[in-house]
Amino acid sequence: DADVTQTPRNRITKTGKRIMLECSQTKGHDRMYWYRQDPGLGLRLIYYSFDVKDINKGEISDGYSVSRQAQAKFSLSLESAIPNQTALYFCATSGQPSYNEQFFGPGTRLTVL
Amino acid sequence: KQEVTQIPAALSVPEGENLVLNCSFTDSAIYNLQWFRQDPGKGLTSLLLIQSSQREQTSGRLNASLDKSSGRSTLYIAASQPGDSATYLCAVRQDGQNFVFGPGTRLSVLP
Repeated sequence: DADVTQTPRNRITKTGKRIMLECSQTKGHDRMYWYRQDPGLGLRLIYYSFDVKDINKGEISDGYSVSRQAQAKFSLSLESAIPNQTALYFCATSGQPSYNEQFFGPGTRLTVL
Repeated sequence: KQEVTQIPAALSVPEGENLVLNCSFTDSAIYNLQWFRQDPGKGLTSLLLIQSSQREQTSGRLNASLDKSSGRSTLYIAASQPGDSATYLCAVRQDGQNFVFGPGTRLSVLP
């Protein structure tokens, strides 16, 4: 089984709809991250969480919110989706002892019409 | 603010060739640098991690080097195979900070 899973894998929605993307991990890591990937721009950090009670904004948090329901679960919400939020979304984790590496989920392809 | 660039954006080579992918970063005070592979429709797979105190790391046909002072890293792929076709991304981490990613190099190895 995959260590980092994301649901759904693909989603098509309409402008103005509320969308939630979910991420679960079995690696026992305390840090979790949400990124979006756009062609030619690489991955950009949306939000990150160092533990259940610690949530931080990343580079491009406007229009997004997150919830860390448990150490293993980190959800990303788009309260009112807009077309320029069409992108590939990745969840990642890192953990002890040194947080040197990040481990990624398979991604969610989101299309906002 | 740390910025990471990768050249070239895309590369096409015949099978068997040795090739080099480049990664540059603007702030040399990094903690480590990680190379990833991304297959279409899939997540990122870590290939090599180089700590700031290291000059290179090797895994099979892959060799990554790091020159902190010049803000550069290279990923060398020996004897390329069609299965190496993917997008390769580098990411740097500064101590206590999160990771900053480059835009990637899309590699095609032709049989």
